Amino acid sequence: GAVVSQHPSWVICKSGTSVKIECRSLDFQATTMFWYRQFPKQSLMLMATSNEGSKATYEQGVEKDKFLINHASLTLSTLTVTSAHPEDSSFYICSSWTGKSNQPQHFGDGTRLSIL
Amino acid sequence: ILNVEQSPQSLHVQEGDSTNFTCSFPSSNFYALHWYRWETAKSPEALFVMTLNGDEKKKGRISATLNTKEGYSYLYIKGSQPEDSATYLCAFLGSSNTGKLIFGQGTTLQVKP
Repeated sequence: GAVVSQHPSWVICKSGTSVKIECRSLDFQATTMFWYRQFPKQSLMLMATSNEGSKATYEQGVEKDKFLINHASLTLSTLTVTSAHPEDSSFYICSSWTGKSNQPQHFGDGTRLSIL
Repeated sequence: ILNVEQSPQSLHVQEGDSTNFTCSFPSSNFYALHWYRWETAKSPEALFVMTLNGDEKKKGRISATLNTKEGYSYLYIKGSQPEDSATYLCAFLGSSNTGKLIFGQGTTLQVKP
């Protein structure tokens, strides 16, 4: 089946650090990649939609200057949390989608980000 | 604000029991309903993508039904096994077909041997 690689799995860093998370679609070309965030005991919340070669579309309330998304190729999207602070600590997970309406999204394993 | 609700939030059953959970979603502007299974320390795995009212899909011991008119889907697991222990997520795709999913909070199933 489709495989999406996301890394790192865990990040612990100091406040003010910028953190980059990579999401790679290993065996298919993803028209679209999605970035989600999950707070404890809550559902996956979509942060942004990333299409190859174009600017990401951010959901309401998500700061685009805080969460920089780059989708340089059909197989790679990155999320950079800039100048991270403790309130950015969360679980971040990406998914890839072929763009076909009857196809599911394929998820990475997620990244646990802890800002001290 | 579109809302997707799943119930129950958690479920504990004995091995061999059959179980089912519910996903409620908006009945308007429906495009598809996704079900995912999410085991601890793994990535969510797609179970079903359902698009037609009355649709019923099956994968091994797991099946799902869809009622788009009233806005609900049921997921059934027949003869639960410990390896079925996971969080089951449903997600609503609106008619815009941008691929943007709205997820429920999930139902966490624990199957005791």
